Amino acid sequence: DAKTTQPPSMDCAEGRAANLPCNHSTISGNEYVYWYRQIHSQGPQYIIHGLKNNETNEMASLIITEDRKSSTLILPHATLRDTAVYYCIVREYGGSQGNLIFGKGTKLSVKP
Amino acid sequence: DAGITQSPRHKVTETGTPVTLRCHQTENHRYMYWYRQDPGHGLRLIHYSYGVKDTDKGEVSDGYSVSRSKTEDFLLTLESATSSQTSVYFCAISGQASEAFFGQGTRLTVV
Repeated sequence: DAKTTQPPSMDCAEGRAANLPCNHSTISGNEYVYWYRQIHSQGPQYIIHGLKNNETNEMASLIITEDRKSSTLILPHATLRDTAVYYCIVREYGGSQGNLIFGKGTKLSVKP
Repeated sequence: DAGITQSPRHKVTETGTPVTLRCHQTENHRYMYWYRQDPGHGLRLIHYSYGVKDTDKGEVSDGYSVSRSKTEDFLLTLESATSSQTSVYFCAISGQASEAFFGQGTRLTVV
């Protein structure tokens, strides 16, 4: 079973920041938080991952709480092309122990 | 994009026939995975491989078998296809210390 909880859907205005929350209260010390997204029926696309520090890349920022029980993915300036299902996953980094177990994700709708 | 190719991209087959889906990678990654995606269920892991000839079951492995005789190829076989196996199948690859990359999917319809 997925070890994360996400809201089923969210709306965001184009050009505004999209903040997607995720709860992972049972995360263990060696598990990372990963975010993927799936646009329409394409294969899931990797966005970002982190252990305990905040992370930023060209696509998004990841904010992890100090107790690591929740995190937020931030898309700083959402566009219509960011409309997708976003998945938050916890796993060990690499290896067979770290299989990606997907939950239902959050369907983000970016509106003009 | 990561070098991962699934074939075929679309297939229609009859109930009871064998079907093999192929996942090919050019990244020399150790780990390969097969998922299926159905409405209301999201992505579910079928089988995975952690090396040549090393495979293991995922959460929905019944009715499926896999083989990995070369690093670059991971085959998923439905020995006798059933209508419940109509789905979109995704392959993924991952290195020892890297994120996973997904293929574009194979849409399989069993009639």
